Amino acid sequence: QIVLTQSPAIMSASLGEEITLTCSASSSVSYMHWYQQKSGTSPKLLIYSTSNLASGVPSRFSGSGSGTFYSLTISSVEAEDAADYYCHQWSSYTFGGGTKLEIK
Amino acid sequence: QVQLQQSGPELVKPGASVRISCKASGYTFTSYYIHWVKQRPGQGLEWIGWIYPGNVNTKYNEKFKGKATLTADKSSSTAYMQLSSLTSEDSAVYFCARSGGNYGYAMDYWGQGTSVTVSS
Repeated sequence: QIVLTQSPAIMSASLGEEITLTCSASSSVSYMHWYQQKSGTSPKLLIYSTSNLASGVPSRFSGSGSGTFYSLTISSVEAEDAADYYCHQWSSYTFGGGTKLEIK
Repeated sequence: QVQLQQSGPELVKPGASVRISCKASGYTFTSYYIHWVKQRPGQGLEWIGWIYPGNVNTKYNEKFKGKATLTADKSSSTAYMQLSSLTSEDSAVYFCARSGGNYGYAMDYWGQGTSVTVSS
């Protein structure tokens, strides 16, 4: 069972700031997916297969990584980005513990 | 458009069972996996298992074997999850979501979630 560890658990960012959320895997994985979940709603696919933006996702979101280390970057944080973010990989179906993004 | 419509909230007694439904529309039901995901209040996402309606194959998280049973009805394009021997630990929101090869098997559409409360 591959364990995904996300950091930080909570991030506080200012509007317009560039931020990076990370996801570390206990063993090497081929790719990573990322989801965004706003309070009281269902998760939404943000990035699939490490670096591909899902349909309708703003271009300020990007993903990268390989092996055991993956990241999600927001180039210029907007108020609507306040949410929980989860990484997820297919081979063992596990989710990371999540990062809560707060806007200052 | 693709939609996954889940059944309504459930209040069930400890020790009982409950069945949640997830009705799919807007795509070929038998060509995509349906996953079930648990989320306890204030907690993260936990994968329960998937069913592939095309051949009714299933795969479960070891933690949920014996707790969750996944089925699917092709005639109504509906997936079901039955949870048995319920305890307070099973109180959560349960989501269904689909995945397929078009997005690297990521879960691209999600249901609205079904709240299950276990209480006497």
